[in-house]
Amino acid sequence: AQRVTQPEKLLSVFKGAPVELKCNYSYSGSPELFWYVQYSRQRLQLLLRHISRESIKGFTADLNKGETSFHLKKPFAQEEDSAMYYCALLKGGGATNKLIFGTGTLLAVQP
Amino acid sequence: NAGVTQTPKFQVLKTGQSMTLQCAQDMNHNSMYWYRQDPGMGLRLIYYSASEGTTDKGEVPNGYNVSRLNKREFSLRLESAAPSQTSVYFCASSDTLQGGGGYTFGSGTRLTVV
Repeated sequence: AQRVTQPEKLLSVFKGAPVELKCNYSYSGSPELFWYVQYSRQRLQLLLRHISRESIKGFTADLNKGETSFHLKKPFAQEEDSAMYYCALLKGGGATNKLIFGTGTLLAVQP
Repeated sequence: NAGVTQTPKFQVLKTGQSMTLQCAQDMNHNSMYWYRQDPGMGLRLIYYSASEGTTDKGEVPNGYNVSRLNKREFSLRLESAAPSQTSVYFCASSDTLQGGGGYTFGSGTRLTVV
């Protein structure tokens, strides 16, 4: 079954420390993976997608098919990074595809 | 651009009451979705609509119905609300014909059923 696992409900780090938000997936086929972020009192928004191989707000995520992981990383955390982060897997094809979300990790960056 | 607009933002219902959550998008997206967000459970798909005139069940459809009124609007109806439906509901849209996964979300409806 297709599934996304985010093992940490809460990750607390100090400002300037490295951040790694873990995401593992289960999918038979070639996965498309995404990270979404929800800042306090704001709507959920796309942070990055693995096919773009981009860095957004200093965050990067590499797809590791051998470990079935898509961890989100940032070398130096900022207080404004505090938010809920969701890893998501695209299921299905064409117009009927849909996102399966993990349970989310709350990142708290302490001053 | 407004993006995805949801109404209402907050609602309190008594058990057994009915209500419709409204969602509209102005981005000409073909696909629309309804998710519920619960603590510790992430976002779970209730229903989705790949195109105007079609709807399909998601992971947790029981107790809900949907209508894709036109390309812009996708409503979610609770016929007889139950306390287990207390949640935050998010509508989203996507242009899946240009590739999937890049969803635009609404600001959510916080529903409490007492």
